[in-house]
Amino acid sequence: QKEVEQDPGPLSVPEGAIVSLNCTYSNSAFQYFMWYRQYSRKGPELLMYTYSSGNKEDGRFTAQVDKSSKYISLFIRDSQPSDSATYLCAPGGNNRLAFGKGNQVVVIP
Amino acid sequence: KAGVTQTPRYLIKTRGQQVTLSCSPISGHRSVSWYQQTPGQGLQFLFEYFSETQRNKGNFPGRFSGRQFSNSRSEMNVSTLELGDSALYLCASSKDTGELFFGEGSRLTVL
Repeated sequence: QKEVEQDPGPLSVPEGAIVSLNCTYSNSAFQYFMWYRQYSRKGPELLMYTYSSGNKEDGRFTAQVDKSSKYISLFIRDSQPSDSATYLCAPGGNNRLAFGKGNQVVVIP
Repeated sequence: KAGVTQTPRYLIKTRGQQVTLSCSPISGHRSVSWYQQTPGQGLQFLFEYFSETQRNKGNFPGRFSGRQFSNSRSEMNVSTLELGDSALYLCASSKDTGELFFGEGSRLTVL
């Protein structure tokens, strides 16, 4: 079983739609949970970071973690063409992040 | 504030050669991690260094090695290159809070 499972997509949505991304993880030792965004030919950049179960909101982005079911979600409201990128979930612990394969998102104007 | 700098950005090698990649972390960051990114496997953890010591290691063969210098700069080396080593190699630095800050990567093509 892979440490992190993330359906790679791709996912195409019209501008203004809500984007819903999720992944599951198997290692119960993971203590913090991140989402990274990666544009083509760029390195990943940190988008959201949370330690605990529950929701964390930052502008149009909401990260949701359910530690009991080992399930991580990212929601993007009012999606924009500039949100077109690959989104990587990354649970971590002990100075190591485990990455999902990433969801490719395309927002169509 | 300067970000993570990786050199070279692009390189082409042939099978059997070796390659050295360099990473300069964000000033004040003492942890440096290396990842390999391929379309099929995604981002895979290679190793992590903190204060010149390897603290974590992923599941890669011994051909992949790294080191960190006293100024926190890091290098990774891949010997006896194989076609399957073609990938984007990403370096990330951290203040040891868990958050990783990535460079733009070094894209290696093995012919």
